[in-house]
Amino acid sequence: GESVGLHLPTLSVQEGDNSIINCAYSNSASDYFIWYKQESGKGPQFIIDIRSNMDKRQGQRVTVLLNKTVKHLSLQIAATQPGDSAVYFCAETPYGNNRLAFGKGNQVVVIP
Amino acid sequence: NAGVTQTPKFRILKIGQSMTLQCTQDMNHNYMYWYRQDPGMGLKLIYYSVGAGITDKGEVPNGYNVSRSTTEDFPLRLELAAPSQTSVYFCASSYSSGSNQPQHFGDGTRLSIL
Repeated sequence: GESVGLHLPTLSVQEGDNSIINCAYSNSASDYFIWYKQESGKGPQFIIDIRSNMDKRQGQRVTVLLNKTVKHLSLQIAATQPGDSAVYFCAETPYGNNRLAFGKGNQVVVIP
Repeated sequence: NAGVTQTPKFRILKIGQSMTLQCTQDMNHNYMYWYRQDPGMGLKLIYYSVGAGITDKGEVPNGYNVSRSTTEDFPLRLELAAPSQTSVYFCASSYSSGSNQPQHFGDGTRLSIL
């Protein structure tokens, strides 16, 4: 099977609890940020994005927070479900032409 | 819409062999990208294209070539396969409207070089 999740920081969370996944980005010039979810054997799936002129954006059960002062991005998942078990990547845009730079990822394991 | 489709899903190559990884998208996206993902790591950009006839290098282009003759297709070519190219390869596409847009990914090609 897919070995993407090996050696990654792992967050274990009880089903129904809220999850918070953190990401430190590197480039002050980045003006667009995305969170992706990757399940085993699948490609990254878009979850939510945020532009640098915002500090918070909400989707369905997910919220992204952006702190440009400390270059920190977080993803909050409300009422975590077993289907949320995956590797989560943040990505930033330090270059032009919509190119993304990805972080290493965080494994989320939901305990039923 | 099928989105981004990659073929093959799995492939084993011998050192020195060549192959082409296929990628096609049906969303009429002008931007397309190729990434590789090594175990426990994030994705690294190999090549990208902002439109038909235009390609450019990403972070890790050595050992690869691309072409973009149509909007829909963006094949990735390995000319002389090396063990260091064992990886999972993802193709992505995005629309560009002057501001950044999310990239949409295929499900990958898992390539082993032995």
